[in-house]
Amino acid sequence: VQLQESGPGLVRPSETLSLTCSLSGGSLSSYYWTWVRRPPGKGLEWLGYIYYNGNTNYNPSLKGRLTISVDPSKNQFFLKVTSVTAADTAVYFCARGVPMSGILSWLDPWGQGALVTVSS
Amino acid sequence: DIVMTQSPLSLPVTPGESASISCRSSQSLRHNNGYNYLAWYLQKPGQSPQLLICLGSDRASGVPDRFSGSGSGTDFTLKISRVEAEDVGVYYCMQTLQTPTFGQGTKVEIK
Repeated sequence: VQLQESGPGLVRPSETLSLTCSLSGGSLSSYYWTWVRRPPGKGLEWLGYIYYNGNTNYNPSLKGRLTISVDPSKNQFFLKVTSVTAADTAVYFCARGVPMSGILSWLDPWGQGALVTVSS
Repeated sequence: DIVMTQSPLSLPVTPGESASISCRSSQSLRHNNGYNYLAWYLQKPGQSPQLLICLGSDRASGVPDRFSGSGSGTDFTLKISRVEAEDVGVYYCMQTLQTPTFGQGTKVEIK
């Protein structure tokens, strides 16, 4: 299984950041498809996930600005972050979340990451 | 939210020696099914994070046996025996029992 992020590297403040994660070598079934970011000079921040059945869970600190969706026909899932500011500048990673006993347990594998800069 | 606290935040190590990183959670990560929902990751410079340990103590496939995880409940430890130069990077613990959260990260560097 391999994951690859894609999307614009530069987004204007107040606009919407959109990223795609493309899966190869597997299917979207039975996993938690997850987004994580790492702002420059900071640690990892979990953003959210979508379960293959469409259920989502988001980081409450992002205050409703996140949407994660999935397109099984294309083996892709997506991240949208609205009303971005400079604080959303980060490397964004997609990852496969593996459940154990129905609970998300670990993230593996991860994509290579996509740098998104928010600037005018 | 469950708060994850790692220590130390910076860890200079000598190749060949051992190193330990502590991760403490503000609530127990042990589910009544017996599993501890705690994983360890390493982000090497210029790379994406990689899974080292899952469920508190299970080494991921392909991870050298010099990496080991231990602990239960709220206190967990990642131990690296016989540190090698390729082990440098930032180590994170992450809980998934509730809305997932990461620790702050521990930067491991060679002395």
